[in-house]
Amino acid sequence: GENVEQHPSTLSVQEGDSAVIKCTYSDSASNYFPWYKQELGKRPQLIIDIRSNVGEKKDQRIAVTLNKTAKHFSLHITETQPEDSAVYFCASFYGGSQGNLIFGKGTKLSVKP
Amino acid sequence: GAGVSQSPRYKVAKRGQDVALRCDPISGHVSLFWYQQALGQGPEFLTYFQNEAQLDKSGLPSDRFFAERPEGSVSTLKIQRTQQEDSAVYLCASSLSTGVNTGELFFGEGSRLTVL
Repeated sequence: GENVEQHPSTLSVQEGDSAVIKCTYSDSASNYFPWYKQELGKRPQLIIDIRSNVGEKKDQRIAVTLNKTAKHFSLHITETQPEDSAVYFCASFYGGSQGNLIFGKGTKLSVKP
Repeated sequence: GAGVSQSPRYKVAKRGQDVALRCDPISGHVSLFWYQQALGQGPEFLTYFQNEAQLDKSGLPSDRFFAERPEGSVSTLKIQRTQQEDSAVYLCASSLSTGVNTGELFFGEGSRLTVL
């Protein structure tokens, strides 16, 4: 079955710097890769997603890149702000089940003012 | 309502008790998902409904776990004879589309279950 590895588990940056979180997946049939932001005690919220027919997608300060050959995808946050502090989860969908997103273990991002 | 609503938000159960967790999805959303999130981990899939049909229950960890969505709206996740390893946050999510890759998943705030 699919396995998703996420790194780093914690990341601390200064306000204004960039942050990069990387994920690898195992099943080459995976075709959909969403990223979720979860603030402490709150619900996960979708911040960006990418499909396997696209290599990069941007939304203001957030971008995601996908390398299908290497089976990894990354989240890039530029000009970080303190409100970006949260746990970020990557996920992969490989079509084995319509409900079965496989999540990474999360990255706790801290943005220091 | 404006979002996915779950109740109770917090539940403490003694080992061996049965619990029922409720999810009110966004009105009109076809798909409903249950996930289990252990402390410090990512959500893990439990089960998926399309309207009232439970299309996938492969993630349910044992036969003590049961979920239903009888009228294609509200869903209940029931855990019988709770064990300490069942302690987790149970997240419900809904989507207007079918399947996780066809539309955004909207999560509820979760029900935190603690089994003593």
